[in-house]
Amino acid sequence: DAGVIQSPRHEVTEMGQEVTLRCKPISGHNSLFWYRQTMMRGLELLIYFNNNVPIDDSGMPEDRFSAKMPNASFSTLKIQPSEPRDSAVYFCASSPRTSQLSGELFFGEGSRLTVL
Amino acid sequence: QKEVEQDPGPLSVPEGAIVSLNCTYSNSAFQYFMWYRQYSRKGPELLMYTYSSGNKEDGRFTAQVDKSSKYISLFIRDSQPSDSATYLCAMSGGGNKLTFGTGTQLKVEL
Repeated sequence: DAGVIQSPRHEVTEMGQEVTLRCKPISGHNSLFWYRQTMMRGLELLIYFNNNVPIDDSGMPEDRFSAKMPNASFSTLKIQPSEPRDSAVYFCASSPRTSQLSGELFFGEGSRLTVL
Repeated sequence: QKEVEQDPGPLSVPEGAIVSLNCTYSNSAFQYFMWYRQYSRKGPELLMYTYSSGNKEDGRFTAQVDKSSKYISLFIRDSQPSDSATYLCAMSGGGNKLTFGTGTQLKVEL
């Protein structure tokens, strides 16, 4: 079974440009999470969805960030306009409906974003 | 003050050593405690899971939770070079919203 699939794996862009990161969760998982990881702050939860509905977006840094989940198999995280301080690795994770383990997340391999 | 504190390391040990990794936390509502392992350029993967206080053992790995001290540990026995990774503690009060530590980088040398 394929894991969580993220694209692109690497993105280098210039300040002010729009960035769109994409995620395909594991089939059958009903929760999807977007995290950002930096050396200084570690893993930070940006937003998570249950059954395609945003539940908590309190971690989204500011209005430049937006996330959508139009269906159970696809989500996007958009940054517009991008700034150098957005440089980080962005992870998507999904969690299964049937999991009895609170906190069992399955992570993708991440999208490494560099904003010049 | 962060809710979860974790020494970033790096921690370097010889092969076969016992490794101790630790986290402290401040939120008394945390009930679920996890350790994730993250290899370089990869996403984190769940390694150990513990509910409330106590110990849990899985092969060479032992997770301990002391809620009275708000302190959790991961022990690795007979460490191997393949254990070289970053270890992240994570915890929650229930549900899937996790608070992660910043991770401890471990290197096991031959």
